[in-house]
Amino acid sequence: ETGVTQSPTHLIKTRGQQVTLRCSSQSGHNTVSWYQQALGQGPQFIFQYYREEENGRGNFPPRFSGLQFPNYSSELNVNALELDDSALYLCASSLGGLRNTGELFFGEGSRLTVL
Amino acid sequence: DQQVKQNSPSLSVQEGRISILNCDYTNSMFDYFLWYKKYPAEGPTFLISISSIKDKNEDGRFTVFLNKSAKHLSLHIVPSQPGDSAVYFCAASGSNTGKLIFGQGTTLQVKP
Repeated sequence: ETGVTQSPTHLIKTRGQQVTLRCSSQSGHNTVSWYQQALGQGPQFIFQYYREEENGRGNFPPRFSGLQFPNYSSELNVNALELDDSALYLCASSLGGLRNTGELFFGEGSRLTVL
Repeated sequence: DQQVKQNSPSLSVQEGRISILNCDYTNSMFDYFLWYKKYPAEGPTFLISISSIKDKNEDGRFTVFLNKSAKHLSLHIVPSQPGDSAVYFCAASGSNTGKLIFGQGTTLQVKP
């Protein structure tokens, strides 16, 4: 069984640039969630995708957007990067969309540094 | 507003003793609570969960207790082992949201 994989693992960008982070969900999982973890904090919910549609969104501006593909893999796009976007971005997969009780399977994360 | 709080940033215990990690929440609509463990350079991994209709759930060395009236849950690890040293996150979700609200985490160090 293949786990959740994310790429790239580390990247450095400058303010104003755009970034795309990628995630392959665990085999058989149809739901992908993205979380942002700032240093010393817990993960914060960005949004969730279920069957290729956004299925809930946290308190993040529209410059954070995403996609889910027919194979349930997903992308997180962040436009007009700001210094505060520097964080670990975690992708998590699960089954069931809104019916999910919350057990998520996380990838190792993508560490984004904005200079 | 921090709906899920872990007020102890760190905890140090001796191998073989009990580790107790605490978590408080404010939203009475939460009905499912989870604990995740995170090692450096790895993603969080699910440890144990509890539904709001229960007050205790046990899995091997790990037990989670839920006190709904106090809006408080705790994770007990007995006996603690050096391999348990990690950051522990408490998380909560509301019915059918699929969204987890995490606490800030508690770093547990188990000394040999």
